[in-house]
Amino acid sequence: GAVVSQHPSWVICKSGTSVKIECRSLDFQATTMFWYRQFPKQSLMLMATSNEGSKATYEQGVEKDKFLINHASLTLSTLTVTSAHPEDSSFYICSVTGEASTDTQYFGPGTRLTVL
Amino acid sequence: AQSVTQLDSHVSVSEGTPVLLRCNYSSSYSPSLFWYVQHPNKGLQLLLKYTSAATLVKGINGFEAEFKKSETSFHLTKPSAHMSDAAEYFCVVSPVRGTYKYIFGTGTRLKVLA
Repeated sequence: GAVVSQHPSWVICKSGTSVKIECRSLDFQATTMFWYRQFPKQSLMLMATSNEGSKATYEQGVEKDKFLINHASLTLSTLTVTSAHPEDSSFYICSVTGEASTDTQYFGPGTRLTVL
Repeated sequence: AQSVTQLDSHVSVSEGTPVLLRCNYSSSYSPSLFWYVQHPNKGLQLLLKYTSAATLVKGINGFEAEFKKSETSFHLTKPSAHMSDAAEYFCVVSPVRGTYKYIFGTGTRLKVLA
């Protein structure tokens, strides 16, 4: 399967600042990348889907202007949380899939965001 | 509508005893089914997947799952639990084969007692 990394693994920021999270597919051409958020003791909630070179598709209820997603290459997608607030504190996980395996997602290790 | 139900939110077993984590699904199509494991503060690791080949699927770390269409089930089993198996387990369905969208179960937390 694919090896996926995320950076940073954890971040603490002040309310009102923006935070960028990177998701890299290290050995896999990721035509599609996904961003999830996970609250404590809960399942994953899909935020958005991005295809390389295209605009992301956001799930209902996810603010596009708050969670900016860029998928500029087959190996890198970024999630920027703009003007972060404490309620944005969560565990953010990315996953990838590609032409070689369209029905299997490979997940990154996650990024813990804490907004003070 | 497609859905996934994990019947137990928590399961406790003693080390060395069998593990059974239950999952039922609902899908209008012939789905792809997956089990993932998540250790604390980590991402999800693929344990195994079913995509219409053999109904008994073997995965990593001694886990296996059996697809039973008549029962719409995809239960995860392991003959002998190890302390390192303690984690959260997610059953996932991809309702239409060849597409990417996942539907997650609510998760089962497995506790392994010494």
